[in-house]
Amino acid sequence: AQTVTQSQPEMSVQEAETVTLSCTYDTSESDYYLFWYKQPPSRQMILVIRQEAYKQQNATENRFSVNFQKAAKSFSLKISDSQLGDAAMYFCAYRSSRSEKLVFGKGTKLTVNP
Amino acid sequence: DGGITQSPKYLFRKEGQNVTLSCEQNLNHDAMYWYRQDPGQGLRLIYYSQIVNDFQKGDIAEGYSVSREKKESFPLTVTSAQKNPTAFYLCASSPRQGPSNQPQHFGDGTRLSIL
Repeated sequence: AQTVTQSQPEMSVQEAETVTLSCTYDTSESDYYLFWYKQPPSRQMILVIRQEAYKQQNATENRFSVNFQKAAKSFSLKISDSQLGDAAMYFCAYRSSRSEKLVFGKGTKLTVNP
Repeated sequence: DGGITQSPKYLFRKEGQNVTLSCEQNLNHDAMYWYRQDPGQGLRLIYYSQIVNDFQKGDIAEGYSVSREKKESFPLTVTSAQKNPTAFYLCASSPRQGPSNQPQHFGDGTRLSIL
């Protein structure tokens, strides 16, 4: 079964600085999708960024970018110019192209210090 | 605006009681999902449905039941067989996925507690 591991239960960053959240996953498949979701204190899950495994180019969405290393099965999230509103739980998720099921990591709690 | 509506926001269950959590979407999505979130845990899949009148068990289906009589609605019943129901429950929907990177969209959640 596929698993997703987020090794950093908590991280902190100074406002305007850059932070990287780690995510590794285990799969024997070659075609899959990876996602980062943000869960602020309101508890709503918000999609931050997504990556297709067949694409070598790393996805970017404004201040958010990923470092996708397929051979290493690593999918880290970089947040540049951190803002107070970035404070939240961040979840990494995996989905096989042959399945409807999302597999989530346990999350990383990000604190942004003013 | 299109979205997913979960109700109620807070729910309390007595011992031996079944309770039903509502999830409605107006995004015209085919697939719907129920997740459970416990403190310090990621989301775990309870049930999912890809089309009306069809659904599949997720990883932690025991003690739960669902129905999918309408495309827009996917209610979750927490039965008395679920011995530890206290958790935050999230409903999600998406277009049919398969070989597509379509993300799942989430509701605001229901917090269920035992009285």
